[in-house]
Amino acid sequence: GQNIDQPTEMTATEGAIVQINCTYQTSGFNGLFWYQQHAGEAPTFLSYNVLDGLEEKGRFSSFLSRSKGYSYLLLKELQMKDSASYLCAFLDSNYQLIWGAGTKLIIKP
Amino acid sequence: ETGVTQTPRHLVMGMTNKKSLKCEQHLGHNAMYWYKQSAKKPLELMFVYSLEERVENNSVPSRFSPECPNSSHLFLHLHTLQPEDSALYLCASSPTLAELNTGELFFGEGSRLTVL
Repeated sequence: GQNIDQPTEMTATEGAIVQINCTYQTSGFNGLFWYQQHAGEAPTFLSYNVLDGLEEKGRFSSFLSRSKGYSYLLLKELQMKDSASYLCAFLDSNYQLIWGAGTKLIIKP
Repeated sequence: ETGVTQTPRHLVMGMTNKKSLKCEQHLGHNAMYWYKQSAKKPLELMFVYSLEERVENNSVPSRFSPECPNSSHLFLHLHTLQPEDSALYLCASSPTLAELNTGELFFGEGSRLTVL
């Protein structure tokens, strides 16, 4: 079967670093994605990993380990505007996007 | 002007009403999607259109009826809905279906539907 799991909610402090984990199980895999969704707004694409390792984009980095079925999104130098939900999703062997329920990140001053 | 525009942003309807959600994309994309987003649940893919032809229907109840008159517009017609259909309905687009392979979808801000 297929499943994907990420924490429901996390809290972090402005200026700090936070890591949002995502674990998945699937027989076929074609990449893992992270989206950001501010309350009441559209989800926006953050990153795509298909090979193992770390991809860095400014303050945001995404990591993938295919053998462990594990990814994380790392946010550095947190800003209040980073308060949002972060959605993890993978592409299965049929190129269907399988979504997690999202992690609500709360940033405190 | 945002790339993908959805109207209305909020809709309240009774179970016997008929209403429609509209999505318009200004990105020149050929593929469009309807997703359902319920609180604390994963996004659920409902319908996929490529070049105005439906290519995916994920066992959605017939009370939801999509329409894609051209590559820029997508509708979701609603009739005799149930309270459990209350959710955020998101429209998305991508240049082609192949773009789904890289996961980069462009979403609208959604239509918040409440069924009484």
